[in-house]
Amino acid sequence: DTEVTQTPKHLVMGMTNKKSLKCEQHMGHRAMYWYKQKAKKPPELMFVYSYEKLSINESVPSRFSPECPNSSLLNLHLHALQPEDSALYLCASSQDSGRGNTIYFGEGSWLTVV
Amino acid sequence: SQKIEQNSEALNIQEGKTATLTCNYTNYSPAYLQWYRQDPGRGPVFLLLIRENEKEKRKERLKVTFDTTLKQSLFHITASQPADSATYLCALDMGGGSQGNLIFGKGTKLSVKP
Repeated sequence: DTEVTQTPKHLVMGMTNKKSLKCEQHMGHRAMYWYKQKAKKPPELMFVYSYEKLSINESVPSRFSPECPNSSLLNLHLHALQPEDSALYLCASSQDSGRGNTIYFGEGSWLTVV
Repeated sequence: SQKIEQNSEALNIQEGKTATLTCNYTNYSPAYLQWYRQDPGRGPVFLLLIRENEKEKRKERLKVTFDTTLKQSLFHITASQPADSATYLCALDMGGGSQGNLIFGKGTKLSVKP
């Protein structure tokens, strides 16, 4: 079982809703990530937090808002999403954000926007 | 920009045979190349990492090679089993400087038939 826990596993939301995805790790990792994965596509990097500071934002629309309350927690706040945002959202962590680190993924949160 | 190609979308082999998956990239060679396994509806799981100055890496029935001249990595599973059936993703560390930034290939779906 993965040591990166994501909740909820499934989320259905309307285009006017505000919801959040949550992620937690207790491996003492100092880097945390959000990836988005569409069906039959590879995971695409959205955000990287390093030592609780946002270090990479891959030009993600502002309707996705990440938050890192502490080194173990990572949230993704969702507002005014579009149906094309429906995907598997993967949280991940690594020792730090330096090169050559193993990335540990959670099981993902399946998001459906209706 | 860097492109990653896993040139087989699907690979079907018989149990007991060796599966060989290919990952090609364009432009500059990454310092690190990683392989992950992903089962349907689940997050990717790290398998192996190989550095640019390493030719080969092994772990149990798995072997990865890295040829920076050919700009290619091969991933082998020997004595394949039906339980090895999954999608296998190669990932290149594209980060500048010390910042990691893992970019995934589209993956190869391996099916091992009994």
